Amino acid sequence: AQSVTQLDSHVSVSEGTPVLLRCNYSSSYSPSLFWYVQHPNKGLQLLLKYTSAATLVKGINGFEAEFKKSETSFHLTKPSAHMSDAAEYFCVVSDPGGYQKVTFGTGTKLQVIP
Amino acid sequence: ETGVTQSPTHLIKTRGQQVTLRCSSQSGHNTVSWYQQALGQGPQFIFQYYREEENGRGNFPPRFSGLQFPNYSSELNVNALELDDSALYLCASSSGTLSSYEQYFGPGTRLTVT
Repeated sequence: AQSVTQLDSHVSVSEGTPVLLRCNYSSSYSPSLFWYVQHPNKGLQLLLKYTSAATLVKGINGFEAEFKKSETSFHLTKPSAHMSDAAEYFCVVSDPGGYQKVTFGTGTKLQVIP
Repeated sequence: ETGVTQSPTHLIKTRGQQVTLRCSSQSGHNTVSWYQQALGQGPQFIFQYYREEENGRGNFPPRFSGLQFPNYSSELNVNALELDDSALYLCASSSGTLSSYEQYFGPGTRLTVT
């Protein structure tokens, strides 16, 4: 069975400082991993995805994530936070199979302080 | 390219009633998934439709059912509504069922059951 643990429910950073959102996963297979962002009253938007190619994945808006199989982690980072980054972030795991069996983490709410 | 759309935006129903939510998939996408997102939680997978057939289901009772039409749009039906069914219902489309394919989400339908 697959599962995702987002280690922090809330993260607060000052504008211009680095962002780190932590995610650990569990899977019996070689999963695909995703990070999605959800702004208030808006739909989920894909930030980036890992699908067994390069372990360092670059996404939109300056975000990137590193897949570490030995640590079963897929942490999301950004060198410098912007006010517009304030939102909820979801780590997602998807095992291979007959359908897209997707499991979302519980989310991390990012607050950016001016 | 038209994105994923959902209707209605908001809905209020009474316990015991039935509800139908609608989703239009993104152009060129043949796979639609439905998710339930309770307040403060991550989305939970309900089921997925591929080429008009249900091809995967999460841990939801049979009173949650769906349809996919030849144009790949979809409906989610919930019978005998319960208070716990109050949530944001998200629809997502993708170009296939591979786990590596990203999903494109609609803005959701907010269902309130009183």
